[in-house]
This record gives sequence, C-alpha cells and structure tokens, in this order.
Amino acid sequence: NAGVTQTPKFRILKIGQSMTLQCTQDMNHNYMYWYRQDPGMGLKLIYYSVGAGITDKGEVPNGYNVSRSTTEDFPLRLELAAPSQTSVYFCASSYGDSPGQPQHFGDGTRLSIL
Amino acid sequence: AQKITQTQPGMFVQEKEAVTLDCTYDTSDQSYGLFWYKQPSSGEMIFLIYQGSYDEQNATEGRYSLNFQKARKSANLVISASQLGDSAMYFCAMREGQNRGSTLGRLYFGRGTQLTVWP
Repeated sequence: NAGVTQTPKFRILKIGQSMTLQCTQDMNHNYMYWYRQDPGMGLKLIYYSVGAGITDKGEVPNGYNVSRSTTEDFPLRLELAAPSQTSVYFCASSYGDSPGQPQHFGDGTRLSIL
Repeated sequence: AQKITQTQPGMFVQEKEAVTLDCTYDTSDQSYGLFWYKQPSSGEMIFLIYQGSYDEQNATEGRYSLNFQKARKSANLVISASQLGDSAMYFCAMREGQNRGSTLGRLYFGRGTQLTVWP
C-alpha cells in the first residue's frame, strides 16, 4: 500500500551541486506532478507529466529538469543548486485529469541549499 | 489574479467547538473540483474532502463538511467537534476541468490557514 514514495526525505546541498529527487508511484497513474512549497505559501507547480515520455513545464520550472521513462517513476533533477531552491518538494499523481480525481501526494523532500 | 484565496493566516478554536476555514476561488470553467488538504507539522499532505462544481449537495466526510456557495465562489471547510489532533495547516485547492494551456489537471493552492486547537 505504498502510494507515492519520495526519496530522500531530507537533504542539504552546497551551492552549485546537483541532485535528483526520486518519485515513484505504484497506482498505475498516468498523471504525475512536482510541486514546491515555500514557507508560508501554497504549492506551486514545477513540472508535470501526462504519461511515459511526455513532460511539460509548470509555473516555476527554471533550474529544474524532469524525465518520465516509465509510468511509475518521475524524477526531478536540480542542476547547479541555488539558495532560492531551498524548499519542500512534493510529488503527486492522479489517474486522470478530470476535476473529481484527487491527487495523491508523497511525504515530501525537505531540501536546503547552503 | 489568485485562483484560490484563503484570507485567514491563522485560526484558533477550543477543543470540541466547530470552526470554519474560508476559501474563495476564481475560475471561468463550468466544471471544476475543490479540495481541502491537511498538512500536519510532520509535513505530509492529507486529502480531506472534495466538492464538484455540479454537486448539488455539500460534501461531508466525518467531522469535515464543505460549505459550497457557487454563486459567491466560496468553498469553506467546516470542522465540527474540533480535536487537538486537528491542529495543522489547511490548504484549499482547485482543479479546473478544461485544458488550460499546458497544465492539465494541476491543482491551484491557496496560502493555507494554520489552525490551532486549544484544550
């Protein structure tokens, strides 16, 4: 009964380093999303995917890249980490895009760039 | 323009009392969904309740109910008989029904309301 699994849960990076945030889901969902949550704010969309091989930008994509080689996995890549990328990152998935289908969230990755 | 507005940064309620968390939304779609999520201090996002734009009845899930006023574009969350474990951040979110640009099915979130339940 795993749902959406994110790793790692916490990470500290130095400025200029790179890393990949992992996200996997076992619900056979086509739609997957990456959001970031800054202090005192709601979640903002970074990237999303509607199926394997298909990805597109959200509202805050700069500094990030994604890939979707399988239905299950949707990793988020940070290149040249910057302090502005200090945030909590959430991966989410849903079966479709209709309004009535809730998105299932992972537990988040808390990332600090120092 | 903000898609979701939550005007209460913080709310306080005594245990066993009811509390209403406000949410207004902005959309020109006829078909949309409204969601409330709870985020405890541990950080995970927990889905609480859903209301569809075509639903005539207000949604209820246990102690949670959604006061949906379509003409006013409001979707307030009502928590009855508050418990200490209800202390958390609460987010209102919306999912639109039509293909809007390149963000199919994304959720728009408000800034959240921090609810504190005291004994």
